[in-house]
Amino acid sequence: GENVEQHPSTLSVQEGDSAVIKCTYSDSASNYFPWYKQELGKRPQLIIDIRSNVGEKKDQRIAVTLNKTAKHFSLHITETQPEDSAVYFCAASTLDNYGQNFVFGPGTRLSVLP
Amino acid sequence: SQTIHQWPATLVQPVGSPLSLECTVEGTSNPNLYWYRQAAGRGLQLLFYSVGIGQISSEVPQNLSASRPQDRQFILSSKKLLLSDSGFYLCAWSIVTNSPLHFGNGTRLTVT
Repeated sequence: GENVEQHPSTLSVQEGDSAVIKCTYSDSASNYFPWYKQELGKRPQLIIDIRSNVGEKKDQRIAVTLNKTAKHFSLHITETQPEDSAVYFCAASTLDNYGQNFVFGPGTRLSVLP
Repeated sequence: SQTIHQWPATLVQPVGSPLSLECTVEGTSNPNLYWYRQAAGRGLQLLFYSVGIGQISSEVPQNLSASRPQDRQFILSSKKLLLSDSGFYLCAWSIVTNSPLHFGNGTRLTVT
């Protein structure tokens, strides 16, 4: 089955700096890669996603890149703000006999220091 | 627009007691439905997912079970809870291929 690794597990940056979180996946059949932000005690919320036919996608301060050959994808946050502090999860999705299966990475705790 | 309801928000149960968590989705038909569990400070573990009534895939062998009695209803159950069942349980839905998961607000379960 699919396995998703995520690095780093914790990340501290100064306000205004950039943050990069990297994920790798094992199943070459995975074709959809969402990223979620989870604040303490709350549900994960989608912040950006990318499909396998696209190499890069940007939404204001957030961007995601995908390298299908190397089976890795990354989240880039520019001009970080204290409200960006949260746990971020990447996921890889594959279609199987039961439907769309999502496997998540272990998460990255991002702290943006004022 | 689509909404997902999950209840209860918090639950404290003794070891050996039964469990029933319910999730319903509104505003869409034939959604894919999922149950995830998150231990404190940890990642998201897929427990069950379903593409239709009576069609459920189990990802982890355990003392939990899931049922989908109606198109937009997904239930997580246990006959006897273990201490290790404590965690944050999240129901989620998606509607079409290569579309995101949308999570409910979750149930925080503490087994004592």
